Amino acid sequence: GAGVSQSPSNKVTEKGKDVELRCDPISGHTALYWYRQSLGQGLEFLIYFQGNSAPDKSGLPSDRFSAERTGGSVSTLTIQRTQQEDSAVYLCASSLVGTGGEETQYFGPGTRLLVL
Amino acid sequence: QKEVEQNSGPLSVPEGAIASLNCTYSDRGSQSFFWYRQYSGKSPELIMFIYSNGDKEDGRFTAQLNKASQYVSLLIRDSQPSDSATYLCAAQRYNNNDMRFGAGTRLTVKP
Repeated sequence: GAGVSQSPSNKVTEKGKDVELRCDPISGHTALYWYRQSLGQGLEFLIYFQGNSAPDKSGLPSDRFSAERTGGSVSTLTIQRTQQEDSAVYLCASSLVGTGGEETQYFGPGTRLLVL
Repeated sequence: QKEVEQNSGPLSVPEGAIASLNCTYSDRGSQSFFWYRQYSGKSPELIMFIYSNGDKEDGRFTAQLNKASQYVSLLIRDSQPSDSATYLCAAQRYNNNDMRFGAGTRLTVKP
């Protein structure tokens, strides 16, 4: 496809359940990011993948959160034992490095997660 | 202190006026700066980026960067009601994945 895609678009789950969120980056983009955005708030960085390098997990809020990227393309963000405070929009972005060294990120539509 | 600061607004301007959105950053190592627009319930979309001091124009949008003052701004000329959204400022170090976003400024353009 032409842009970043994410699935599901909405997810409602019960507290304590595990959820998996999927991201398909733009073809050819080597970098992939996960962010979280709570209602009315800014973007909270979670994790970053670049090519075959070890991911930067510095933004993951707890060990209940993990992510993987298979074959340098599709990524899955997993939240184990979900809590109500995990409710947010989870955004994925992929990026391309420009001629000036800037890395422009393009966002997917997000997954809206609601933990009851 | 947050690394990227924006006035949360809301900023309200009449249709046809110039909207001025401001952003300051604390990391002097930041080299590239981005403005994203986010409509309610939607994901951020890139408006423009800037990495040289001065002005950069793209249609009705002008980004301004002053590295000495650690200040970035976005001007929207001839504002339209469709410009009503939250505008996110982001700063990035050169060749570095670490992009820091501000919390965003909510802009309302009144007909």
